Amino acid sequence: DTAVSQTPKYLVTQMGNDKSIKCEQNLGHDTMYWYKQDSKKFLKIMFSYNNKELIINETVPNRFSPKSPDKAHLNLHINSLELGDSAVYFCASSQAAGTGDNEQFFGPGTRLTVL
Amino acid sequence: AQSVTQPDIHITVSEGASLELRCNYSYGATPYLFWYVQSPGQGLQLLLKYFSGDTLVQGIKGFEAEFKRSQSSFNLRKPSVHWSDAAEYFCAVGPYNTDKLIFGTGTRLQVFP
Repeated sequence: DTAVSQTPKYLVTQMGNDKSIKCEQNLGHDTMYWYKQDSKKFLKIMFSYNNKELIINETVPNRFSPKSPDKAHLNLHINSLELGDSAVYFCASSQAAGTGDNEQFFGPGTRLTVL
Repeated sequence: AQSVTQPDIHITVSEGASLELRCNYSYGATPYLFWYVQSPGQGLQLLLKYFSGDTLVQGIKGFEAEFKRSQSSFNLRKPSVHWSDAAEYFCAVGPYNTDKLIFGTGTRLQVFP
């Protein structure tokens, strides 16, 4: 059974388009995250939500908007896509929030390519 | 500011050889420390974590890591590497009171038969 799933796995689109990536976890976790992995494999957190509430919001262009309809889902919507948005986006989840000692479970990633 | 340094970008070992991947962190207190592995085209999987207590921690797949406060290090080791261990390895620090994992730049492990 998939713990953290993301769709789509691959996304190829033109500059200027708007796209969404969906994430779902069936682990019963309260906290979900979005990370961006660039072409040099560097991973950086973008957002985290705890029980549908935004907790972490790193310095990310406001073209990126996360949405959490319920605590099992965290979607990422990106407006006006730019070449620099090409990356692999990982969703993750963990049991609780605010203590730093939670194991985060990662999804398989969505490879976004902007042409 | 918190940071994680993995000095080795790429390591090549022969199958059966021992392995040590280096990780140094910068943080004002004892952080929570993690090692993750990313196989090609896959997400990240937790190998092991250190929160407190015994400074030598055992993980999955025969990996272990040792926390050394004096050296601000958390190096990952395996006594005998298997070809299936070829992957990207990430060290991460989780500062107290936040869930923001800060990752190192990763070490790519290549295993030759």
